[in-house]
Amino acid sequence: GAVVSQHPSRVICKSGTSVKIECRSLDFQATTMFWYRQFPKQSLMLMATSNEGSKATYEQGVEKDKFLINHASLTLSTLTVTSAHPEDSSFYICSALTRAGGSYNEQFFGPGTRLTVL
Amino acid sequence: SQQGEEDPQALSIQEGENATMNCSYKTSINNLQWYRQNSGRGLVHLILIRSNEREKHSGRLRVTLDTSKKSSSLLITASRAADTASYFCATDPPPGSRLTFGEGTQLTVNP
Repeated sequence: GAVVSQHPSRVICKSGTSVKIECRSLDFQATTMFWYRQFPKQSLMLMATSNEGSKATYEQGVEKDKFLINHASLTLSTLTVTSAHPEDSSFYICSALTRAGGSYNEQFFGPGTRLTVL
Repeated sequence: SQQGEEDPQALSIQEGENATMNCSYKTSINNLQWYRQNSGRGLVHLILIRSNEREKHSGRLRVTLDTSKKSSSLLITASRAADTASYFCATDPPPGSRLTFGEGTQLTVNP
């Protein structure tokens, strides 16, 4: 199957700094990528939909100025957490969409990035 | 907000037993998918069932879908310790590709 990578896998930063997380589709082109956040022992919450060459669509309650998304190419989307605070500590997971035909569009998930803000 | 609700939230069984997890959702869907997540890892796609299907099998996995009750179940037969993980259902309501995840079931299979 298609492979999606994330970098870094783990990051620890000081409060107030910005952190960039990369999501890459390694062997396919993804016009659409998704960013999710997952707190411990909870489900995945969709943060935003990232479309190549256009602005991201953010879910209600997600601050677009805090979580900057750039989808500059068909294989790379980045999420930048600006001025990170301890409450931003979470597991961030991206997925990339590939069209499998018909009405089904399969998403392939990255391995996730664990962000810890001190 | 999360559309799917899963029960049980946690399930602990012995190796060799079957594990059944349920998922309910609220709106109409294109398809429903089940994912597995090992602790601290990404998601692994297990199986997809389309809205016009009622049952699907894949190895030791059996998924059912009842669109009239807006519910699905995942059955893992002859469980193994390696099946220990969190299992999530995700729905894909029309018109597009946004997945909405259930709350998940934490399955522990004791050797």
